[in-house]
Amino acid sequence: DAGVTQSPTHLIKTRGQQVTLRCSPKSGHDTVSWYQQALGQGPQFIFQYYEEEERQRGNFPDRFSGHQFPNYSSELNVNALLLGDSALYLCASSGSGRVDEQFFGPGTRLTVL
Amino acid sequence: LAKTTQPISMDSYEGQEVNITCSHNNIATNDYITWYQQFPSQGPRFIIQGYKTKVTNEVASLFIPADRKSSTLSLPRVSLSDTAVYYCLVGDRVTGGGNKLTFGTGTQLKVEL
Repeated sequence: DAGVTQSPTHLIKTRGQQVTLRCSPKSGHDTVSWYQQALGQGPQFIFQYYEEEERQRGNFPDRFSGHQFPNYSSELNVNALLLGDSALYLCASSGSGRVDEQFFGPGTRLTVL
Repeated sequence: LAKTTQPISMDSYEGQEVNITCSHNNIATNDYITWYQQFPSQGPRFIIQGYKTKVTNEVASLFIPADRKSSTLSLPRVSLSDTAVYYCLVGDRVTGGGNKLTFGTGTQLKVEL
């Protein structure tokens, strides 16, 4: 049973560009959350998708947007990249039947130059 | 969400028991206490969750006193592979999908020979 998968593993962009990160949830999970983790910090919640709708959102600007597809996979889009967007972006999935734990993917390391 | 306070770092040796304490003075009645473990360049991994008294699984034990203003994660007989960052989280057990997890900076545990 594959866990949460994310692509790409690493990404290098320049300021002002746009980026799309992808996530496939664990089999049987229907909820996907995205987190940003800066170096030396804990993950910070960006937003959560359920039934193709954004259900919760953290304190991130509108440059951060997302999408969830009918197969529950998800994308995170960041526009007008800033140097401060350099971070590890983590995707986590959970199932509606069990909310005790979220399963995280390995993350995408984004570097903005 | 209730704010948590935990030590920035801890050192231990292989075979010892490690106890990491987390303070959450403003914990609400509906809040659960959850611990995650994170290795470098990986996503966090759920360890254990509890509401009161003691919870034990195959990985760790979680001790919660009656006032629930603190909790202690206990790792028995640690090994080098337990070197990681440990996060204490407090929040509602949201039904219907998944929690918005709020991470602090965590405790960096270093296990040596």
